[in-house]
Amino acid sequence: ETGVTQTPRHLVMGMTNKKSLKCEQHLGHNAMYWYKQSAKKPLELMFVYSLEERVENNSVPSRFSPECPNSSHLFLHLHTLQPEDSALYLCASSQLAYNEQFFGPGTRLTVL
Amino acid sequence: DAKTTQPPSMDCAEGRAANLPCNHSTISGNEYVYWYRQIHSQGPQYIIHGLKNNETNEMASLIITEDRKSSTLILPHATLRDTAVYYCTPAGGTSYGKLTFGQGTILTVHP
Repeated sequence: ETGVTQTPRHLVMGMTNKKSLKCEQHLGHNAMYWYKQSAKKPLELMFVYSLEERVENNSVPSRFSPECPNSSHLFLHLHTLQPEDSALYLCASSQLAYNEQFFGPGTRLTVL
Repeated sequence: DAKTTQPPSMDCAEGRAANLPCNHSTISGNEYVYWYRQIHSQGPQYIIHGLKNNETNEMASLIITEDRKSSTLILPHATLRDTAVYYCTPAGGTSYGKLTFGQGTILTVHP
């Protein structure tokens, strides 16, 4: 595998479910990001991890919980989501202090 | 306040050059100009970035005006696979990469 991978690619869940999104980067980067992209909004930065420490949390509701166990893996744990949380969730990685970010293909999330 | 202004859509004939403009008049001195594109239902793809000099790579060329308030992305020989939404964004070279995409330009390449 090369680049940034995300699983699953598609996810449908009910509002009471708990699920997790997974991201893995094979680029040797040390910063990872979660973004949300809705149909009617531009790309929104959710979380930033640098050297496995969370350095940015853009007022994201607590029903989204990130986890970065090492520099290659990033998770987004989801629970009690709302229908308005339906969106494309994108993971990206970069070298520390650089903005050349490499994105994964995204997870298309639908909350029923 | 919008950080960038881009035309909402542009058309280009296959094989011709596509010139995509971006206005970023509020760019600060230490911010670079980054260009990304997003093909439908895929993640954004990095294209090129620059500070004040013109840049070229295997994908595109970037022309930045001397006052740095605007730039133009040039795809020298557009193909059908270049049809995508193109975003320009100023971003700090030493920050943690707070990319903020606007609405971008939908480029459609026609046969």
